[in-house]
Amino acid sequence: EPEVTQTPSHQVTQMGQEVILRCVPISNHLYFYWYRQILGQKVEFLVSFYNNEISEKSEIFDDQFSVERPDGSNFTLKIRSTKLEDSAMYFCASQQGPRELFFGEGSRLTVL
Amino acid sequence: QKEVEQDPGPLSVPEGAIVSLNCTYSNSAFQYFMWYRQYSRKGPELLMYTYSSGNKEDGRFTAQVDKSSKYISLFIRDSQPSDSATYLCAMSMNSGYSTLTFGKGTMLLVSP
Repeated sequence: EPEVTQTPSHQVTQMGQEVILRCVPISNHLYFYWYRQILGQKVEFLVSFYNNEISEKSEIFDDQFSVERPDGSNFTLKIRSTKLEDSAMYFCASQQGPRELFFGEGSRLTVL
Repeated sequence: QKEVEQDPGPLSVPEGAIVSLNCTYSNSAFQYFMWYRQYSRKGPELLMYTYSSGNKEDGRFTAQVDKSSKYISLFIRDSQPSDSATYLCAMSMNSGYSTLTFGKGTMLLVSP
């Protein structure tokens, strides 16, 4: 069964460092998303991406965040200068048509 | 007032019990309602997708939406230990390519 894959599964970084989280969406999907889940909190929308541009973003997705689909398969989330409060599980999701979002298993980011 | 409220549990039931999970919401613009299951350290997995008020059944799962009360439910019949997970309600304003607003999730524990 096709699946969304995410790397790394866990990354530990120092505050102020840049982090790139990578996702390989399901191959024929057109819509891509990043969500995050701070420990014990709800899953929150960060950004959606379609046709090589951001289609929607939340107020969490400030100038420290960026997304890119550099090579037609990977979909990346970059955090330029990490803060302690960026520690969370980051989920990539992809979607072919209306309705079902397929989520990856997540990348856990720990900022020290 | 939080947009989507969900009792975090945990909800503990014996195997075979009927489980009722619920969410309330405040924004009447939500039109599409989903239930996701999330196992520990995994991404959310779609269980049920409904639109408008009424019931939808899929195997042991029944989703119920009451838009007049802004209340949605998920019923699980003949619960199994493998149903032990966190159940997240999610909703969106538009069909298809729309961001999801999640509840915090209810942890369900089904004991053999």
